[in-house]
Amino acid sequence: AQSVTQPDIHITVSEGASLELRCNYSYGATPYLFWYVQSPGQGLQLLLKYFSGDTLVQGIKGFEAEFKRSQSSFNLRKPSVHWSDAAEYFCAVGGWGASYGKLTFGQGTILTVHP
Amino acid sequence: DAGVTQSPTHLIKTRGQQVTLRCSPKSGHDTVSWYQQALGQGPQFIFQYYEEEERQRGNFPDRFSGHQFPNYSSELNVNALLLGDSALYLCASSTRNTEAFFGQGTRLTVV
Repeated sequence: AQSVTQPDIHITVSEGASLELRCNYSYGATPYLFWYVQSPGQGLQLLLKYFSGDTLVQGIKGFEAEFKRSQSSFNLRKPSVHWSDAAEYFCAVGGWGASYGKLTFGQGTILTVHP
Repeated sequence: DAGVTQSPTHLIKTRGQQVTLRCSPKSGHDTVSWYQQALGQGPQFIFQYYEEEERQRGNFPDRFSGHQFPNYSSELNVNALLLGDSALYLCASSTRNTEAFFGQGTRLTVV
């Protein structure tokens, strides 16, 4: 069965500081990996995705993530956090073929940004 | 392109009632998936519709059912509502070659 673990429920950083959100996954085949962001009461916005190829992927809003197959990880990073980045972040794993479109999400990491 | 649209945005129902939520997919998308997001949790996959048929289903009871129409729009129906069904219900649309795009969700409160 596929699963996603986000070890950090809540992270607080100062504006301008660097950020890393952790994500570990379990999936029986080569996975598709995603990071989504959610503001309170809103839907999910895709930050970036990994399907294949270069293991370092760039996304919107200055975010990037690195796929490490040996560690089953897909950590999200940003070199300098802005106050508007405060939100909840979800890592998700999915497959292709018959399983495409079905995503398994982690429990999320709430990001608080201090001025 | 309006993206994925869901209606209504908020809904209050009484225990035991039935509810229908609606979703219009992003233009060009043929697959619709539904997720339930309880407070403080990540979204949980309910089921997925493609070519008007349920193709995949998560671990949800039969009280949860759905439908997809020829124009690819979809409905989620929940019968015999329980307090525990209170959640944000998210619809996502996709194709075989794209990632899932999410709507803003429907907030269902069961009292």
